[in-house]
Amino acid sequence: GQNIDQPTEMTATEGAIVQINCTYQTSGFNGLFWYQQHAGEAPTFLSYNVLDGLEEKGRFSSFLSRSKGYSYLLLKELQMKDSASYLCAVKDSNYQLIWGAGTKLIIKP
Amino acid sequence: GAVVSQHPSRVICKSGTSVKIECRSLDFQATTMFWYRQFPKQSLMLMATSNEGSKATYEQGVEKDKFLINHASLTLSTLTVTSAHPEDSSFYICSARPDRVSSPLHFGNGTRLTVT
Repeated sequence: GQNIDQPTEMTATEGAIVQINCTYQTSGFNGLFWYQQHAGEAPTFLSYNVLDGLEEKGRFSSFLSRSKGYSYLLLKELQMKDSASYLCAVKDSNYQLIWGAGTKLIIKP
Repeated sequence: GAVVSQHPSRVICKSGTSVKIECRSLDFQATTMFWYRQFPKQSLMLMATSNEGSKATYEQGVEKDKFLINHASLTLSTLTVTSAHPEDSSFYICSARPDRVSSPLHFGNGTRLTVT
């Protein structure tokens, strides 16, 4: 079966750095996405990785290792507004998106 | 760019009535749109894939006669929850992407449906 694993919840301190991991086992791979979802709102796109390596976009970076079936989202200089759920999603060989359950990130002052 | 508009954002209806939710891609054409449902503190659950000009593809366990999907144009898909019941109360989210496989999904703002 297809499976995406992320930690259920993480806590970090304002101003710090946090890394949210995602491991996947899917039938084929055509890219990995990270989305941010604030409570009661729809997800918003953060990043897309299809090749191995690090993609940096401001305070957020996303890393991919296809051989390990592994990605992480790195958030730097954490702000209170970063408190949200972070969803990892993989596009499989049929270009279907397989979603992780999301990681709830709690930022403390 | 790549804005998806969803309407209404919130609806309260009585049990047994039907509710229609609209999803529009404002600045791009989308052959395919997706409808998700999300219960509190749970992840997104894909309900169906809406295909312009053809029948929608429903995920296992989703009743196609209850959740009617119409994708009449390249910019509009509608989801109608028929004969709604309190257990249908949920957050419904549509998404679409420009017709390139590498494009990310862009989501509407969601519709919070409450059935009383």
